[in-house]
Amino acid sequence: QKEVEQDPGPLSVPEGAIVSLNCTYSNSAFQYFMWYRQYSRKGPELLMYTYSSGNKEDGRFTAQVDKSSKYISLFIRDSQPSDSATYLCAMSDDGSEKLVFGKGTKLTVNP
Amino acid sequence: DAGVIQSPRHEVTEMGQEVTLRCKPISGHDYLFWYRQTMMRGLELLIYFNNNVPIDDSGMPEDRFSAKMPNASFSTLKIQPSEPRDSAVYFCASTISLGGNQPQHFGDGTRLSIL
Repeated sequence: QKEVEQDPGPLSVPEGAIVSLNCTYSNSAFQYFMWYRQYSRKGPELLMYTYSSGNKEDGRFTAQVDKSSKYISLFIRDSQPSDSATYLCAMSDDGSEKLVFGKGTKLTVNP
Repeated sequence: DAGVIQSPRHEVTEMGQEVTLRCKPISGHDYLFWYRQTMMRGLELLIYFNNNVPIDDSGMPEDRFSAKMPNASFSTLKIQPSEPRDSAVYFCASTISLGGNQPQHFGDGTRLSIL
């Protein structure tokens, strides 16, 4: 079993839809959870960061962490064509410089 | 402030040739990371440096791969000799602190094709 599992999609939704992206992980030592967004032919950029369990909201984006289930989610409300990108989850244990990434989910939002 | 700068953006070369990828991290960042991204394996950490010193190279696939950071503003990743299975997008990233509370800033990558 890989440390981080992420459904690669692709996922295609109409504009305005609510999008749910998910990752599962196996390492219970992970404490920091991130979502990166990667546009085509660009490097990943940090979108959301959460420490330990709970929810974090930033505009149309909500990140959720359920450590008991080893499951993290990213919700995008009122999705826009500009949200079309690949979304990668990433996580690290306490104090580690190393991030472990999921393979990414490719999202297309159709106008 | 300029972001992480990688060069070249694209590289096409023949099997057996030496390939050198270059990276300029963000000024003031003391951690530098080299990643490789493929469809099959996703984004994999190859090696990272702290204050120009290699800390963990356990992700370097083979002795054909080597990385150096001669100063705080420059790093290279070298493949010699190159093989077709090395074809991938190679990213460099930098950050200012430990753990996940500061983002890693990525360059736009070098798209490497080995024929």
